[in-house]
Formats: sequence, C-alpha cells, structure tokens
Amino acid sequence: DVKVTQSSRYLVKRTGEKVFLECVQDMDHENMFWYRQDPGLGLRLIYFSYDVKMKEKGDIPEGYSVSREKKERFSLILESASTNQTSMYLCASRAAGVEQFFGPGTRLTVL
Amino acid sequence: DAKTTQPTSMDCAEGRAANLPCNHSTISGNEYVYWYRQIHSQGPQYIIHGLKNNETNEMASLIITEDRKSSTLILPHATLRDTAVYYCIVRVAPGTYKYIFGTGTRLKVLA
Repeated sequence: DVKVTQSSRYLVKRTGEKVFLECVQDMDHENMFWYRQDPGLGLRLIYFSYDVKMKEKGDIPEGYSVSREKKERFSLILESASTNQTSMYLCASRAAGVEQFFGPGTRLTVL
Repeated sequence: DAKTTQPTSMDCAEGRAANLPCNHSTISGNEYVYWYRQIHSQGPQYIIHGLKNNETNEMASLIITEDRKSSTLILPHATLRDTAVYYCIVRVAPGTYKYIFGTGTRLKVLA
C-alpha cells in the first residue's frame, strides 16, 4: 500500500514563528501536493511539485514556500506564521496518470 | 476551467444503496472523474475513478452518463462507517496538475 506520512497530526505555533510541515511518501511518486482545508472552502491547492527541485504555485501560495530536495520528501514552510494560517494541511502524492494518495493531515493552530 | 457540483448533504438508511450524484458538465474529453471520501479529521481516501465506462471495485460502483456530464457513485450496502464527506473531482484543465475538490457531499448513514 502507498503510504504518505506527515510529521505531525497536531501543531501549535505562535504568530511570527517559522513553521515546517514535512511530508514523506514511500512509492517513488513524481508528483507531490500541499493543500489546506478550511470549513466551507473545501481543499485548496497551495503548491505542488512535479519532480525533485521542481515546484509550481497553486491557488493560494501567498505566505508559503516549499522545498523538494529528495523525491520522497516535500516540505511546506510558513516563513512567518499568522493566525489566518490556522488550518488543516494535507499532503498528497501521485504517479503520472493515477490517483492522488493523501496523508492523514496536520492540524495547525497559530496563536 | 472544469468544475464539479454536488449536493451539500444526503441521508441513507443502513443497508440500503447510497447514490451520490455529481455534475461535471465542463469536463474535457479525456479527463477522468475521481471520487474520494473523507472521514472526519482524516485525509481523503481514494474510492474509484472512471473515464467513459461504468466502473466497479470492492468499495463502490461508478456510473458515468454517456455524455460524460455527470456521474453517480453507488455504495451498494451502506454501513455506518460510510458516513463521510464524498468528493467528486476532475482536473481543472488538461495538462495541469490542479484538481477541483469543491465542498463535497456529506453522507450520513442512519441506523
């Protein structure tokens, strides 16, 4: 089975802190994604990566950056966390032509 | 850009078939329709996908209309554990990595 893991299920940070969310997949997938999910808004794409060191902005990239130095790992970085970044963050991966596999999510609270 | 429309919520009696509709009238000719479900506080779980023909797997059946403008996910014998939010998703446009999730249908299976 494909496994996508995220570094934390729950995270509490303070405004202004730099936050790292890590995602690891074990199936050699080329594509990886970061979404955030908020009530009433569904899943919104923040960034995606189609290969190592390659990234593209999604629909809501402001306030976020990403890093993909190795194929299996995709990191989401909040350079200076703000309260409006309190959300559920979901990572996904896929190989070309097949479905996305999601991690369990990280619920981030910024105080 | 393609988009999907689903009812906000549905109820289904335990043991009965749950039929979840999705409108995707703007889907492109060679794009798949994917179905996922999300149980509270977990990442979305892949269920099934299809292009033109009806599909069936161990979890569900997918019926796609001949004009491909809509589809129906069928859970043949719903159980309480099928209570979840169900998402019908398509790619925004051919060649893109972006998928539209929308807000899904909240299915409640009643005992």
